[in-house]
Amino acid sequence: SAVISQKPSRDICQRGTSLTIQCQVDSQVTMMFWYRQQPGQSLTLIATANQGSEATYESGFVIDKFPISRPNLTFSTLTVSNMSPEDSSIYLCSVTGQGAYGYTFGSGTRLTVV
Amino acid sequence: GIQVEQSPPDLILQEGANSTLRCNFSDSVNNLQWFHQNPWGQLINLFYIPSGTKQNGRLSATTVATERYSLLYISSSQTTDSGVYFCAVTNDYKLSFGAGTTVTVRA
Repeated sequence: SAVISQKPSRDICQRGTSLTIQCQVDSQVTMMFWYRQQPGQSLTLIATANQGSEATYESGFVIDKFPISRPNLTFSTLTVSNMSPEDSSIYLCSVTGQGAYGYTFGSGTRLTVV
Repeated sequence: GIQVEQSPPDLILQEGANSTLRCNFSDSVNNLQWFHQNPWGQLINLFYIPSGTKQNGRLSATTVATERYSLLYISSSQTTDSGVYFCAVTNDYKLSFGAGTTVTVRA
């Protein structure tokens, strides 16, 4: 299965600032996904990142707040913009399953906004 | 999207005990996975099991796709089994997650 490197692993940020999270995959993948996990909650899909086109956002998430880049088939970034304490969550990237391995997730970025 | 229900929401076990976690889903699926989230937030893939039965050490899983449920069995539980267990399904390419089962194993 694919190996994903996600960074930073954690950060504490001031409200009103922005944070960019990076996700690097060790093989080329067609689709990459970004999830948010609010404290004590399950995972919610933010958007699907496609190489060469704009990301597809789920209901409740907008590009101005969560801009995504996908410059090639092994790399993507998610930016959390103009942060507020409500953005404090774990953010995870994922790639589509390959054969019998299913979907693989990065180690997550634990974001705290103060 | 597909609705996913997990039960029980919380489970407290004595070390060495066995347990069963359940995942019900509302539609046919082509992918079902069980994950374990450790206290550091890392999501570990336990099983890719859209149908049938698989075993990996003390863990095993069974999915009955025609009846739309999956079971995760933990045998001889250890304190390192503590954490949240998620079931996730899809019938296209977007995974839908259940709310999770929080397992606490006491020494």
